[in-house]
Amino acid sequence: DVKVTQSSRYLVKRTGEKVFLECVQDMDHENMFWYRQDPGLGLRLIYFSYDVKMKEKGDIPEGYSVSREKKERFSLILESASTNQTSMYLCASSRGAEQEQYFGPGTRLTVT
Amino acid sequence: AQKVTQAQTEISVVEKEDVTLDCVYETRDTTYYLFWYKQPPSGELVFLIRRNSFDEQNEISGRYSWNFQKSTSSFNFTITASQVVDSAVYFCALRGWNEKLVFGKGTKLTVNP
Repeated sequence: DVKVTQSSRYLVKRTGEKVFLECVQDMDHENMFWYRQDPGLGLRLIYFSYDVKMKEKGDIPEGYSVSREKKERFSLILESASTNQTSMYLCASSRGAEQEQYFGPGTRLTVT
Repeated sequence: AQKVTQAQTEISVVEKEDVTLDCVYETRDTTYYLFWYKQPPSGELVFLIRRNSFDEQNEISGRYSWNFQKSTSSFNFTITASQVVDSAVYFCALRGWNEKLVFGKGTKLTVNP
């Protein structure tokens, strides 16, 4: 079974803090993704990576950066958290770009 | 441009009823992939099925079945004899050739005992 884990289920941070969200997959998948999910807006792609040290912007990259130093780990970084980044963050991985994505349990981030 | 429309925002049924969740998609690609995911109240999206554009055969898996019709650009999902555990938000998604995965807005299904 594919396992995607995220470092926290719930996180509360203050405005202006630097926030790290970690994601690890154990199936040697090439591709990894970060989404945010908001009521009424659905899932929106923030960043993705097709290989180690490689990253591509998704639909809403502003205010975020990512890091992929190892194949199994994909980190999402909020350089200076703001209240409008309060959301559910979902990490996913897939073997090939056209293959199904497997999701982690999500991190519900609240920025106060 | 790619688009997925799930017109049904919420559906409520009584246990043992059959229910169909609609999904209509738009793409200019001839090669594309369609997916269904389930998101139970716990929050984790669970992969259910993947279909490529060249395989129009319907799929059945236990109480779940999928009807893919290219003529109407639809990929509908039916749950037979629904159960309370089927209560979740269901997402249809599309990935065109060399494109990003695009999700519909989801259909919230509530199965009442």
